[in-house]
Amino acid sequence: LAKTTQPISMDSYEGQEVNITCSHNNIATNDYITWYQQFPSQGPRFIIQGYKTKVTNEVASLFIPADRKSSTLSLPRVSLSDTAVYYCLVGEGDSSYKLIFGSGTRLLVRP
Amino acid sequence: GAGVSQSPSNKVTEKGKDVELRCDPISGHTALYWYRQSLGQGLEFLIYFQGNSAPDKSGLPSDRFSAERTGGSVSTLTIQRTQQEDSAVYLCASSSYGGSGNTIYFGEGSWLTVV
Repeated sequence: LAKTTQPISMDSYEGQEVNITCSHNNIATNDYITWYQQFPSQGPRFIIQGYKTKVTNEVASLFIPADRKSSTLSLPRVSLSDTAVYYCLVGEGDSSYKLIFGSGTRLLVRP
Repeated sequence: GAGVSQSPSNKVTEKGKDVELRCDPISGHTALYWYRQSLGQGLEFLIYFQGNSAPDKSGLPSDRFSAERTGGSVSTLTIQRTQQEDSAVYLCASSSYGGSGNTIYFGEGSWLTVV
């Protein structure tokens, strides 16, 4: 059973880089790692996805070590609007469609 | 529409009444998910539909909960004899296919309050 572990909360200041690490020790060979962002009163929205090494898009980077037992979401130069809950997501092995969300990381960006 | 649409956006119901929540997935998406999120909590998987395959109902919390998907598109989540602990936001999501390698898109949720 794939399971993710993330810090419950993190604080940062505007303009800083934020790195949120997620542990997924039992990740299956066919599983991808996906990060979602959720604002209050909204559904989660996709941020970034990767399988191995590094992925970068216009909003974030995702670093995945060779053993894939963890991943790190990197948000460059955060702003107040990045205050949200961030979820790391992997599949469930043979039932990889069953995307189980953990408790997420509550990021608070201060002025 | 362009995104996942859910209705009603808000529902207040009396304890013991039945409620139906509707989800219109993104056109062409074969995979559809229902999640539940209680206040301040993470997302709880409820049920998964993929095409014409039998749904994975393993996350439904009790037999008061049921869901169906008609014609491989619209889905309805039904909660019978609602209880106060059913109060939560019910989120629907869809993706072009199942699997963790695919992006799932969420609706804005249906906020259910049982009084």
